[in-house]
Amino acid sequence: NAGVTQTPKFRILKIGQSMTLQCAQDMNHNYMYWYRQDPGMGLKLIYYSVGAGITDKGEVPNGYNVSRSTTEDFPLRLELAAPSQTSVYFCASRGHQGFTEAFFGQGTRLTVV
Amino acid sequence: DQQVKQNSPSLSVQEGRISILNCDYTNSMFDYFLWYKKYPAEGPTFLISISSIKDKNEDGRFTVFLNKSAKHLSLHIVPSQPGDSAVYFCAASANAGKSTFGDGTTLTVKP
Repeated sequence: NAGVTQTPKFRILKIGQSMTLQCAQDMNHNYMYWYRQDPGMGLKLIYYSVGAGITDKGEVPNGYNVSRSTTEDFPLRLELAAPSQTSVYFCASRGHQGFTEAFFGQGTRLTVV
Repeated sequence: DQQVKQNSPSLSVQEGRISILNCDYTNSMFDYFLWYKKYPAEGPTFLISISSIKDKNEDGRFTVFLNKSAKHLSLHIVPSQPGDSAVYFCAASANAGKSTFGDGTTLTVKP
């Protein structure tokens, strides 16, 4: 049981480049989330999804896009990377609305230079 | 305005003693509170939670206390062990929906 899998683990991007961070879960969870964590800070919600075909913005969505075509996958797209997007990105999933915890991937450390 | 605050960035305790990590929140709509633990280069993992209908939840060495009138919760770890050294995040949600996280407290347990 892999849980939540994120790829890649590390990436260096040049300013203006684009990339997709991949996230997959094998727990048949409806709810999926993308967070970023800047040094010394907590996790800020970028986007989330409550099921296939449904996505919504979180606290810090600017510069990002998401899609949710299947229950398993929730990729995060960065267009025109900027140094301010240097961060650690975490994907998480949760089984359902209610008093349940989220399961996190190991994170993707992204540096934009 | 930060809705979930962990005012102590770091805490150091001796092995075997109690660790107390604190968290304050401002949104009275929050009804579910969680603590996550994070080791370096790993994702956060769930530790313990409490719903707003309770004031205490216990799981082994870990106990979470909720004081709704003060909008304050705390995590007690007794006894503390070196393996408990990690960053602890407090999180809160309204209508048991998506969570808002604090900035974390780095706990160091010294042998």
